[in-house]
Amino acid sequence: KQEVTQIPAALSVPEGENLVLNCSFTDSAIYNLQWFRQDPGKGLTSLLLIQSSQREQTSGRLNASLDKSSGRSTLYIAASQPGDSATYLCAVTSGNQGGKLIFGQGTELSVKP
Amino acid sequence: EAQVTQNPRYLITVTGKKLTVTCSQNMNHEYMSWYRQDPGLGLRQIYYSMNVEVTDKGDVPEGYKVSRKEKRNFPLILESPSPNQTSLYFCASSLSLTGETGELFFGEGSRLTVL
Repeated sequence: KQEVTQIPAALSVPEGENLVLNCSFTDSAIYNLQWFRQDPGKGLTSLLLIQSSQREQTSGRLNASLDKSSGRSTLYIAASQPGDSATYLCAVTSGNQGGKLIFGQGTELSVKP
Repeated sequence: EAQVTQNPRYLITVTGKKLTVTCSQNMNHEYMSWYRQDPGLGLRQIYYSMNVEVTDKGDVPEGYKVSRKEKRNFPLILESPSPNQTSLYFCASSLSLTGETGELFFGEGSRLTVL
């Protein structure tokens, strides 16, 4: 059964720092991996989608990598800003379980001015 | 505007009183899904639908029903709600979950309290 883990659970950094969020998954048979942002009391917003055949995707200050063989993905945020404060979740679309999407528990990021 | 719309956004009900949470998307998406989010447990999938008239159980389907009679709508039905179904519910849709258009769009959430 696919399991997704995110470390750390919470992270606090000063403004301007570059940071890395980690996501690991147990079954490498995936269609894709997505990173989401969730603000308190709100729905999730998709940030980046990486297909299983891709190694990375970039959008602005965000870069996500995928290493399927080791079951890992990272989300790199450059020059962090207070507006980046939110919970970041990763999710994999499991190749062995049809249309199931399995989420990690998220990393709560706080960027201090 | 492309969006996923859930209603109601907030609901307080009592044990056993049937309720339906509606979900509608205007993007002609094939894939739709329901999740619940609970502190310490994260997001868990309840049911999903790959297309019209096709639905499948997620990880926590007990106590819930769904239907997909038309592409845009995917209602979540609680036939006899119980307090352990108190949660924040999200509906989401995607053009095609497994392809390049697999980006998932979420509704704003429905906070349900069962007394």
